[in-house]
Amino acid sequence: EPEVTQTPSHQVTQMGQEVILRCVPISNHLYFYWYRQILGQKVEFLVSFYNNEISEKSEIFDDQFSVERPDGSNFTLKIRSTKLEDSAMYFCASSSSDNYGYTFGSGTRLTVV
Amino acid sequence: KNQVEQSPQSLIILEGKNCTLQCNYTVSPFSNLRWYKQDTGRGPVSLTIMTFSENTKSNGRYTATLDADTKQSSLHITASQLSDSASYICVVSLDYKLSFGAGTTVTVRA
Repeated sequence: EPEVTQTPSHQVTQMGQEVILRCVPISNHLYFYWYRQILGQKVEFLVSFYNNEISEKSEIFDDQFSVERPDGSNFTLKIRSTKLEDSAMYFCASSSSDNYGYTFGSGTRLTVV
Repeated sequence: KNQVEQSPQSLIILEGKNCTLQCNYTVSPFSNLRWYKQDTGRGPVSLTIMTFSENTKSNGRYTATLDADTKQSSLHITASQLSDSASYICVVSLDYKLSFGAGTTVTVRA
């Protein structure tokens, strides 16, 4: 069964550093998403991406966040200057249509120290 | 404002028993309602997806129901197994954006 692949599985970074989280969506999917889950809390929407541009973003997705699809397979989330409160699990997801068939990756656990 | 409320927050059941999880939502209209299973430290895995016109959907020992009039959904787990221990999350989607509930943590004990 096709999978969404995320790397790394765990990243530790110092406060103020830049991090890039990487995702390989399912190959024939057209819609891409990032979600995050702070420990013990619910999963929260960050951003959706379609046709090489952001289609929607939440209030969490401020200027320190950016997304990019640098080639035909990767989808990245960049956090420019990490803060302690950015520590969370970050999930990438992709779908073949805009409201069906979401598939989530296994997540990247980001720890900011 | 939390648009998806789940209950109970957690429950413990004995292996082989059944259980039912509840979800109330205020997102309306919506594209579909989903139930996900999330193991600790892993990504959510889809169990069922229902449009607003569907009343029930099954996936093996998991059966989801939907009452669009009362804005309630339930997930019934039949003959629970130890591997069912996980968080079960009700998710309502409007277009491409998913709104997650906080989940019900189910612990199955031998």
